[in-house]
Amino acid sequence: AQTVTQSQPEMSVQEAETVTLSCTYDTSESDYYLFWYKQPPSRQMILVIRQEAYKQQNATENRFSVNFQKAAKSFSLKISDSQLGDAAMYFCAYSFRSGTASKLTFGTGTRLQVTL
Amino acid sequence: EPEVTQTPSHQVTQMGQEVILRCVPISNHLYFYWYRQILGQKVEFLVSFYNNEISEKSEIFDDQFSVERPDGSNFTLKIRSTKLEDSAMYFCASSVNGGTYEQYFGPGTRLTVT
Repeated sequence: AQTVTQSQPEMSVQEAETVTLSCTYDTSESDYYLFWYKQPPSRQMILVIRQEAYKQQNATENRFSVNFQKAAKSFSLKISDSQLGDAAMYFCAYSFRSGTASKLTFGTGTRLQVTL
Repeated sequence: EPEVTQTPSHQVTQMGQEVILRCVPISNHLYFYWYRQILGQKVEFLVSFYNNEISEKSEIFDDQFSVERPDGSNFTLKIRSTKLEDSAMYFCASSVNGGTYEQYFGPGTRLTVT
């Protein structure tokens, strides 16, 4: 079974600084997808960034980028120029690439605080 | 921008009662999911649904749970006889394709069982 581990329950960053959230996963599959979702206090789940396992290039979305290390099964999220609106729970998630419906397996989350 | 909607936003029910949680997925999406999140815990998969049948279900999704797509737009989760431990946030999600595409989540329904 696939598992996703986030070892940092809480992180703090000052506004305008950079922070990295860690995620490791375990799978025997070679073709899969990894995601970071943001959950603000409203509890809505918002997709931040997606990485396809077959792509060597790390995904980037504006201030958000990932460091995907397939051999190490590591998938960290870097937030640059942190803003107050970035404060939220961040969940790492895994999905097996499939032609049919494929569930997301989530980690336990990292609560990010952004301070002035 | 199209979005997944869920109703109600908050449902309070007594133990043993039946509840139906409703979702309207994004219109051109073909794959539908339910997840739940007990307060303070991670999001857990319940069930996936495609072509009018269940694709996969978790061990949480026992005989008390059922899903249905009664018409072309709604996707429902029914809990027949609620238990205290069913209290959680329930998220509906949809995707245009299977595991190759990201899932878009609704805002959730907070279910409180008393």
